[in-house]
Amino acid sequence: GEQVEQLPSILRVQEGSSASINCSYEDSASNYFPWYKQEPGENPKLIIDIRSNMERKQIQELIVLLDKKAKRFSLHITDTQPGDSAMYFCAASIASSSFSKLVFGQGTSLSVVP
Amino acid sequence: DTTVKQNPRYKLARVGKPVNLICSQTMNHDTMYWYQKKPNQAPKLLLFYYDKILNREADTFEKFQSSRPNNSFCSLYIGSAGLEYSAMYLCASSRALGGRQDTQYFGPGTRLLVL
Repeated sequence: GEQVEQLPSILRVQEGSSASINCSYEDSASNYFPWYKQEPGENPKLIIDIRSNMERKQIQELIVLLDKKAKRFSLHITDTQPGDSAMYFCAASIASSSFSKLVFGQGTSLSVVP
Repeated sequence: DTTVKQNPRYKLARVGKPVNLICSQTMNHDTMYWYQKKPNQAPKLLLFYYDKILNREADTFEKFQSSRPNNSFCSLYIGSAGLEYSAMYLCASSRALGGRQDTQYFGPGTRLLVL
């Protein structure tokens, strides 16, 4: 079945700098790639996603890149703030009419230090 | 309202006893999912309901059961809890958009501890 590898598992950056998280997947049929942010005690919340018909998507300081040939996608957070500190999960999915079967990466614990 | 609710938030169970976790959503989503998450591991899909059809993952087929009495509710049932079932259980739901399932919205999770 589909496997998703996410790196790094721990990331510590200076406030104001950029943070990058990389994921790779195996199933070339995957067509939907969401990113979730989970803060302590909270449920995972979708922050940005990209579908296979796109290569780049940006929402404010979040940029997602997708390289379908290499089966890799990445999240870039520009101008990080302490509020960006959280656990981040990437996922790959084949979205059909009846389900969107997410396979998650292991997660990245991001710490933004002043 | 994109809220998915889960009850209880915390559950303590004894080895060998049954466990029943509840999830609800009022978004009229046709698909509901259950994931298991252990520390330092990725959330793992256990099963999902599309409308009234239950799909269970092959490697957890015998360990978990589920029911969906109506569109809003979905339960996760463990017949006989073992220590290895201690984990966070996350419920999610999604709807069909443009001919395929859209964003999954997650509940806050139920933390199960089996002793």
